[in-house]
Amino acid sequence: AQKVTQAQTEISVVEKEDVTLDCVYETRDTTYYLFWYKQPPSGELVFLIRRNSFDEQNEISGRYSWNFQKSTSSFNFTITASQVVDSAVYFCALSAPNQAGTALIFGKGTTLSVSS
Amino acid sequence: SAVISQKPSRDICQRGTSLTIQCQVDSQVTMMFWYRQQPGQSLTLIATANQGSEATYESGFVIDKFPISRPNLTFSTLTVSNMSPEDSSIYLCSVLGPRWGTEAFFGQGTRLTVV
Repeated sequence: AQKVTQAQTEISVVEKEDVTLDCVYETRDTTYYLFWYKQPPSGELVFLIRRNSFDEQNEISGRYSWNFQKSTSSFNFTITASQVVDSAVYFCALSAPNQAGTALIFGKGTTLSVSS
Repeated sequence: SAVISQKPSRDICQRGTSLTIQCQVDSQVTMMFWYRQQPGQSLTLIATANQGSEATYESGFVIDKFPISRPNLTFSTLTVSNMSPEDSSIYLCSVLGPRWGTEAFFGQGTRLTVV
């Protein structure tokens, strides 16, 4: 079975704080992709990052960084020096082969609120 | 990247009626996916729509309630039939990039309220 768990339902921080959003996944496939998406209050899904199962290098993009650890099946997302505009729901997702295709399996999401 | 246009962007419907949501992609794609996002919840896959074949539905979703059409490689519709307030959700269509594992592209969603 494939599953994505985001244990943190809601996180509240004050601007300029660092915040880490946790993501734990389950899959029996050896080849898979992991994603993070942002959903601001307007509702659209904004792609943030994709990582394949063979690439465990951490990635940094501006204030965003991702820590992929296969040993713990985790793909955590850190926002450094958070800003009010970071307030959104963040989804971690898994893509692995299945009979129907390669649709994404989403975690329940973490709602991040950044106050000024 | 793919650009996806979804219509309508929002609607308020009476219970017992049906609504058809359209999804148009600016490039040809083999598979299109329909998701439902209930209020405050995550995205749940409803079905996968392949051109020229019946859609494949996920557990808990049936064709009578959510009929899907896929007449060509750039267009699909999802109908929410005999609606009840429990169907109030955001419905999103999605396509994948040209190779498996590339990002999934999403339409802006259809925000449906059933009264």
